Order: sequence, then structure tokens, then C-alpha cells
Amino acid sequence: QVQLQESGPGLVKPSQTLSLTCTVSGGAISSGDYYWSWIRQPAGKTLEWIGRISGSGSTNYNPSLKSRVTMSVDTSKNQFSLKVISVTAADTAVYYCARDSVVAGHDTWGQGSLVSVSS
Amino acid sequence: SYEVTQPLSVSVALGQTATITCGGNNIGSNFVHWYQQKSGQAPVLVIYRDNTRPSGTPERFSGSNSGNTATLTISRVQVEDEAAYYCQVWDAGTGRRFGGGTKLTVL
Repeated sequence: QVQLQESGPGLVKPSQTLSLTCTVSGGAISSGDYYWSWIRQPAGKTLEWIGRISGSGSTNYNPSLKSRVTMSVDTSKNQFSLKVISVTAADTAVYYCARDSVVAGHDTWGQGSLVSVSS
Repeated sequence: SYEVTQPLSVSVALGQTATITCGGNNIGSNFVHWYQQKSGQAPVLVIYRDNTRPSGTPERFSGSNSGNTATLTISRVQVEDEAAYYCQVWDAGTGRRFGGGTKLTVL
């Protein structure tokens, strides 16, 4: 059974870079059947898809965030990562990583990681 | 960008049927997935490709999608069904798109 776990700093200063890593266990990230997504949720608000990456490094980003977002994958560590530059308070949210099945949407999620942007 | 609309809240009596809608322009031409999110927890996929239940989703959950509306139906609602529900589509312009979410209250 595949499991995902987010890790990274819980506090980031404004204008700096938010960095998170998702570690995948129970399955190979390089599997061609899946993409690997980042999704965030500000407190009390809906879910926002940030983007996704394949095991081979192909990416799709939400156009509203594309200029500030970079995703990468490390198959040797079975991890994928998110970087968001120039953060503001509006980037404060719970960040989830999720497995993205082309057929079935996001079928497995991490527990979420709260990231606050504050000085 | 493609907009997906859901009612903010739906209330239903215990044991009755809840219907949660997801509206979008010609949404019936896209596959819709549904997620359940209980308070303080990560979302869980409950319906994919309009009407398919993953293993673990009770048979009480069903989905449909036609025209401009996709629908999640929960029959014989239980207390444990109280949660927020989000629909999701793939839009060629913006990628994965979530609806605003519907809070289901069991009376």
C-alpha cells in the first residue's frame, strides 16, 4: 500500500522560498501509471491544485502559480519536491502531496503539512 | 479559466438521501472525481470517473455526470458521512480544478 509523507519547514519568511518534500513508500515513484501532485488548502478554504510531476520529470503547473513554482523528482530517494519562490501571507496553507492517477484522480494523499508565511 | 460551482452547504436527516451537485459548462464531457474531507484530515477519494467507487467506499455513495451538472448521491446517510465534499475535473487550460466544496450536515 502506497503511503506519502510531506516534510519541510513550518514557517517561512515573506519574500523567501517555500520548500517541501514528499517521500513515497510502498511503491516506486518512477511508475509510469502515475503523476505526483502538490495541492494546498488555506484555512477554511477550498483545495487548490498547484501542479504535478511524473516519475520521469515531466511537469504540469497551475497557470496561476506557474511563475513561482518548481517541482522536481528524485527517483533514487523515491521523493518529489516543491519550491515556491517569493512567498507572501497568501501562501499560508496546509500543503498536501498526492498520487495522481490519470484514471482515478488523486487516489492517495499525504497527511498534509502546515506552512505559515510570517516574519 | 474553467469554473466549477458547488453549493456551500447541504443538510440531510439521518438515514435519508443527500445530493451534492457540481456545476460547470458542459461538465458532462469531462470525468469528475469526488473527495470527502473530514475535519482536520486529508481528503479521501470516494468516487472517480463520474461513478466508480474505489475499494473502501460504501455502496451508499454513487455519482452521475451529464450536461452541465455532476452529482454525488449518498443514500441512507450516516453520522460518519458528515464532512466537506469536493468535486474535481481536468481542464485543458488550468489542469486539475476543484470545486469550492460542500459541507454536508447530518441532522
